Amino acid sequence: KQEVTQIPAALSVPEGENLVLNCSFTDSAIYNLQWFRQDPGKGLTSLLLIQSSQREQTSGRLNASLDKSSGRSTLYIAASQPGDSATYLCAVRVPGGGADGLTFGKGTHLIIQP
Amino acid sequence: GAVVSQHPSWVICKSGTSVKIECRSLDFQATTMFWYRQFPKQSLMLMATSNEGSKATYEQGVEKDKFLINHASLTLSTLTVTSAHPEDSSFYICSARPDSNQPQHFGDGTRLSIL
Repeated sequence: KQEVTQIPAALSVPEGENLVLNCSFTDSAIYNLQWFRQDPGKGLTSLLLIQSSQREQTSGRLNASLDKSSGRSTLYIAASQPGDSATYLCAVRVPGGGADGLTFGKGTHLIIQP
Repeated sequence: GAVVSQHPSWVICKSGTSVKIECRSLDFQATTMFWYRQFPKQSLMLMATSNEGSKATYEQGVEKDKFLINHASLTLSTLTVTSAHPEDSSFYICSARPDSNQPQHFGDGTRLSIL
C-alpha cells in the first residue's frame, strides 16, 4: 500500500527566505506526483504536477523535483512571502484500475513571518 | 478553467439526519469524480471513486451503504451521508477529472458537523 510522508510537519521562517519541503513515497510505481496548497478550512489549489517521466516542474517562485527511483520529491519556494503561509500537500497517483485516486501526505504547515 | 463547485460549504445537523453534498464540474465534463475525507490534522483519505453511469468504487473500510454516491451526469456527483453520527463529522472534499490523462481539480470542501 502506498504511503506518503511529508517532512517537516510544520515550518516557520522569516519572510524572504528560500525553503524546501520534502515528500517521500513508499511505492515508486507512480503515475504522477502533485503538490497542492490548502488554506485553513478551504479546498486544494494545485501548484505543480510532475509526470513520472519528468524530473522537475517550475511555476514562478516554485520548483518541484521528482526522483522516482528513490521515492522522493521536494518543493522549493524561493523568496518566501507571508502570503505563502498555508499547508502544503504532496500526493501521488498510482497507475491502473478504476479507483485511482490520489494518496496524500499529512502536509507541511508553513508560516512565513512578516 | 477547470472549476469544481461543492455545496454546501458548511452544514450542522442532528445525529440521525441524512446529509447530501453536491459536487459539480462547472466548465468541463468529468467522467470520474473522487470523494475524500479529512479529519483534523490528518491527510486527505480517498473514500470512493465515482464514474458516470456506473457504481462507485469504495476504498477499504468505507461503508457503501452509509456513504451513498450518485454520479448521474458528467457534471454532477452527490455524496449522501445516511443516518449521520458525530463520528462522521469531518471535512469532505470532492475532485473531478476530465479524463484519465488529466489532473484532478478540487472543490472547496464541505465542513460537516453532526451534533
